Amino acid sequence: DTTVKQNPRYKLARVGKPVNLICSQTMNHDTMYWYQKKPNQAPKLLLFYYDKILNREADTFEKFQSSRPNNSFCSLYIGSAGLEYSAMYLCASSRDKGERLFFGHGTKLSVL
Amino acid sequence: GDSVTQTEGPVTVSESESLIINCTYSATSIAYPNLFWYVRYPGEGLQLLLKVITAGQKGSSRGFEATYNKETTSFHLQKASVQESDSAVYYCALGRTGGYKVVFGSGTRLLVSP
Repeated sequence: DTTVKQNPRYKLARVGKPVNLICSQTMNHDTMYWYQKKPNQAPKLLLFYYDKILNREADTFEKFQSSRPNNSFCSLYIGSAGLEYSAMYLCASSRDKGERLFFGHGTKLSVL
Repeated sequence: GDSVTQTEGPVTVSESESLIINCTYSATSIAYPNLFWYVRYPGEGLQLLLKVITAGQKGSSRGFEATYNKETTSFHLQKASVQESDSAVYYCALGRTGGYKVVFGSGTRLLVSP
């Protein structure tokens, strides 16, 4: 099974409220990633976990949190959603550094 | 930083016609990047179409081809005869051997008309 699952597919959030997105994979991949995708823009890497080590991109460091309670699951947490967080959030995993990425369908977040 | 620029879509092509989607890259921090084409079919997640890690080499998959040209820093995607089922969004991307970060282009939507 080479799938990455994301829940939910669509999420509505209110400005100022927290948001938690979930991702899982059953391929025993070491690395899991979160990308943000806005219309007509490239997917932008937010952060990734290698095993239990979290790496966040410098320009999104304070905006997103994540946890990885076990190898299969990874969450993306927004403490206080703003309108600018409206986007598609893509979760991906890879077996090792530089290897192909396996993506989920994405979660479309709309912040109102 | 590193960046990828690709043909702005949508690109509309009739079935059985040829296709080229342009991709150029700038890899300021990577001497020899790995180059990828990912594709997103309707209703599905992004998936790898093809990958080339050596300059001068060609990758191919599902009738698509792309050649890694280090001189022109390009990795154009070509297909001789497209099918309606090729309608999708195509993303050019670069990465580094042993590195985690993959930098994507903004995607090119391809519409193939019957």
